[in-house]
Amino acid sequence: EPEVTQTPSHQVTQMGQEVILRCVPISNHLYFYWYRQILGQKVEFLVSFYNNEISEKSEIFDDQFSVERPDGSNFTLKIRSTKLEDSAMYFCASRVGTGGPETQYFGPGTRLLVL
Amino acid sequence: AQTVTQSQPEMSVQEAETVTLSCTYDTSESDYYLFWYKQPPSRQMILVIRQEAYKQQNATENRFSVNFQKAAKSFSLKISDSQLGDAAMYFCACFTTSGTYKYIFGTGTRLKVLA
Repeated sequence: EPEVTQTPSHQVTQMGQEVILRCVPISNHLYFYWYRQILGQKVEFLVSFYNNEISEKSEIFDDQFSVERPDGSNFTLKIRSTKLEDSAMYFCASRVGTGGPETQYFGPGTRLLVL
Repeated sequence: AQTVTQSQPEMSVQEAETVTLSCTYDTSESDYYLFWYKQPPSRQMILVIRQEAYKQQNATENRFSVNFQKAAKSFSLKISDSQLGDAAMYFCACFTTSGTYKYIFGTGTRLKVLA
């Protein structure tokens, strides 16, 4: 069964460093998402992406964050200058968006720790 | 704005017994979907069950079923014949078919299954 994959599974970085989280959505899906879950808290929407541009972003998704689909398969989330409070689990998700079931399929997540 | 509320931070159930997790939501949209996701200690988000708002029939998936009360905006999850592997965080989520279809998650209910 097709699945969303994410790399790396864990990343540790120093405050102020840039990180890039990578996702490979399911191949025929057209809508892509990033969510964040701070430990012990709920999953929060960050951004949605369609047709090579951001469709919607939350107030969390400030200028430190960016997304891109560089090669038609990967979908990346970049944090330019990480802060301690960016430590969280980051989930990528995708959905078909062509009239099929509206379920979003989540990747396994990347656990980011900022020291 | 959409909101999802899970009023039970933690629930316990005896193995083989039945447990019901509560969820209420608020949306002004007429067309939306509701989901329950399971998050085990690995923190991966696993789809448990989904319900289309336009369907009156409650969704079922093996031991999992929902009680969808549209007028009351209530969407509870019933787990029958609970198993040790059911122990996890359970998140209720809502999204609408307008905009970018992002999920709004509740704060989660931690389910403990007692042997």
